[in-house]
Amino acid sequence: AQSVTQLDSHVSVSEGTPVLLRCNYSSSYSPSLFWYVQHPNKGLQLLLKYTSAATLVKGINGFEAEFKKSETSFHLTKPSAHMSDAAEYFCVVSAGGKLIFGQGTELSVKP
Amino acid sequence: EAQVTQNPRYLITVTGKKLTVTCSQNMNHEYMSWYRQDPGLGLRQIYYSMNVEVTDKGDVPEGYKVSRKEKRNFPLILESPSPNQTSLYFCASSSAGPGSYGYTFGSGTRLTVV
Repeated sequence: AQSVTQLDSHVSVSEGTPVLLRCNYSSSYSPSLFWYVQHPNKGLQLLLKYTSAATLVKGINGFEAEFKKSETSFHLTKPSAHMSDAAEYFCVVSAGGKLIFGQGTELSVKP
Repeated sequence: EAQVTQNPRYLITVTGKKLTVTCSQNMNHEYMSWYRQDPGLGLRQIYYSMNVEVTDKGDVPEGYKVSRKEKRNFPLILESPSPNQTSLYFCASSSAGPGSYGYTFGSGTRLTVV
């Protein structure tokens, strides 16, 4: 069965420092993986997606994620956090055409 | 502008009073889906539709109904709402399979059942 685990429910960083949001997945075949972001009182916006092309995926707003099959991980990174990055982030795995969401990681950015 | 539109954004209702949350997309997408979001649980799929008149249950369908009579609309119906259906609901659509393309989400409907 497919599943996704976000390893941190909350991450706090200072503005200008790197961001790392961790995600591990379980899939019986080559998965499609996504990261979504949800700003307060907003819908979900697609940040980036991996669909078996390049293992390093670049998304919007300077975010990127690396697919590591050997570690079954798809961690989200950004070199330098901005105040506007404060939001909740969801790692998502595709399973049989359905999307399975992780529990979310809330990112706080301190000035 | 390409978008998924949900209405209402906020709704407070009483137990047992039937309600409908509307969802419309203007992108000619085949796939549409309803999710509910609860703290600590992420998003869970309620129902989905692969085309007009084709719907199927997601992970948490109990207490909900849907219909897909037109390609652009996918309303969510709560025949007899209960307090455990208090949640944030999202409608989403996808062009050719959310597994490959992901979903475009609406802005959400916050439902409170008292």
